[in-house]
Amino acid sequence: QVQLVQSGAEVMQPGASVKVSCKASGYTFTSYYIHWVRQAPGQGLEWVGIVNPSGGTTSYAQKFQGKVTMTRDTSTSTVYMELSSLRSDDAAVYYCARLFTGGLDSWGQGTLVTVSS
Amino acid sequence: QSALTQPRSVSGSPGQSVTISCTGTSSDVGSYNYISWYQQHPGKAPKLMIYDVTKRPSGVPDRFSGSKSGNTASLTISGLQAEDEADYYCYSYAGSYTYVFGTGTKVTVL
Repeated sequence: QVQLVQSGAEVMQPGASVKVSCKASGYTFTSYYIHWVRQAPGQGLEWVGIVNPSGGTTSYAQKFQGKVTMTRDTSTSTVYMELSSLRSDDAAVYYCARLFTGGLDSWGQGTLVTVSS
Repeated sequence: QSALTQPRSVSGSPGQSVTISCTGTSSDVGSYNYISWYQQHPGKAPKLMIYDVTKRPSGVPDRFSGSKSGNTASLTISGLQAEDEADYYCYSYAGSYTYVFGTGTKVTVL
């Protein structure tokens, strides 16, 4: 079955960078785009960006340009999202999700990023 | 890339129908039929309920239906059940490989 397994929770200091991973299994990794979605505490879902596992091309929400970098490793079927210059308002749960036809049909379990000194 | 506008909350009694609207612009909802809807229970990952405006993934009850008119998409839950109480989000393609979520709607079953 399709599975997306994300890396564990992170506690980071302000100004640091964090890299969250999302390992895919159960399907052909290079056939489907992966989205990253953010959910701050008590808030709604927010689109962060998308990565094409086949060619590695990316597209980011304007708000996250310069903040986020998405990459992939086809040898391990893993996509990564790196957030830089962390601030308190970057604290959130970050999800990866697979785009299948017109919807995000499979989601990772979420990774909680806490920013605290 | 402004969030799509949804009502903050809707409510209904068991068995009733509720409709959640999702209003965007001619640059997103109005231009594409890549509209999807997600249900999220507290502490859980979102779940796909509707994609391509009207299509239901396998396993989603036919009580859930989607539609679109102009710049507004809608999700209707018919025959409301207790387990439908959750947050719901719409999601639209906005061109140039960008996407946008709705603000989210809390559905309460009275």
